[in-house]
Amino acid sequence: DGGITQSPKYLFRKEGQNVTLSCEQNLNHDAMYWYRQDPGQGLRLIYYSQIVNDFQKGDIAEGYSVSREKKESFPLTVTSAQKNPTAFYLCASSMRGPQTTNEKLFFGSGTQLSVL
Amino acid sequence: RKEVEQDPGPFNVPEGATVAFNCTYSNSASQSFFWYRQDCRKEPKLLMSVYSSGNEDGRFTAQLNRASQYISLLIRDSKLSDSATYLCVVNGYNFNKFYFGSGTKLNVKP
Repeated sequence: DGGITQSPKYLFRKEGQNVTLSCEQNLNHDAMYWYRQDPGQGLRLIYYSQIVNDFQKGDIAEGYSVSREKKESFPLTVTSAQKNPTAFYLCASSMRGPQTTNEKLFFGSGTQLSVL
Repeated sequence: RKEVEQDPGPFNVPEGATVAFNCTYSNSASQSFFWYRQDCRKEPKLLMSVYSSGNEDGRFTAQLNRASQYISLLIRDSKLSDSATYLCVVNGYNFNKFYFGSGTKLNVKP
């Protein structure tokens, strides 16, 4: 089945620790995105990438880093500089970028990150 | 002002009711409009795109009003399984990202 796979489903971070969230897609989509969702709030864009080896900061990139070495993979690292990392993290992809008319987003099942 | 605004609700309705949500967007250059459904602690899933002429999918009807810059979602004959948060999503020709509303929560009661 084609889709987006996020892992792990739950992740716990200790103080001062970097953690990496995995996102893999087999939809052959060019664009990939990371969003953060806090309870009762909308999705906020962390980073996005429209092609391999290129990515741009979103609205809340501080304390996060990404890489896009392969088309299928877009891992997110939550660094120790992110002081309030507890949230639901969603990876998404689209065939091309959001500037394309009627481009749709498809989401992975999410990772809940909590601080120990 | 937020790019996309929705009434957070919750909307509490009995089974069988008709319920409507609105969503306003700030940029008149926006080109594409969608409704997504999100269940608690799950990922958003595409419910339907919204086309200029309006469109229907079973019990769901979406409409776009470009002049007033809002989109709407009408759910007829509500089912218990419709209980979820409905997200309005907008993107546009000159944008390089999608804009999300914060969602409208629907509770359908027996």
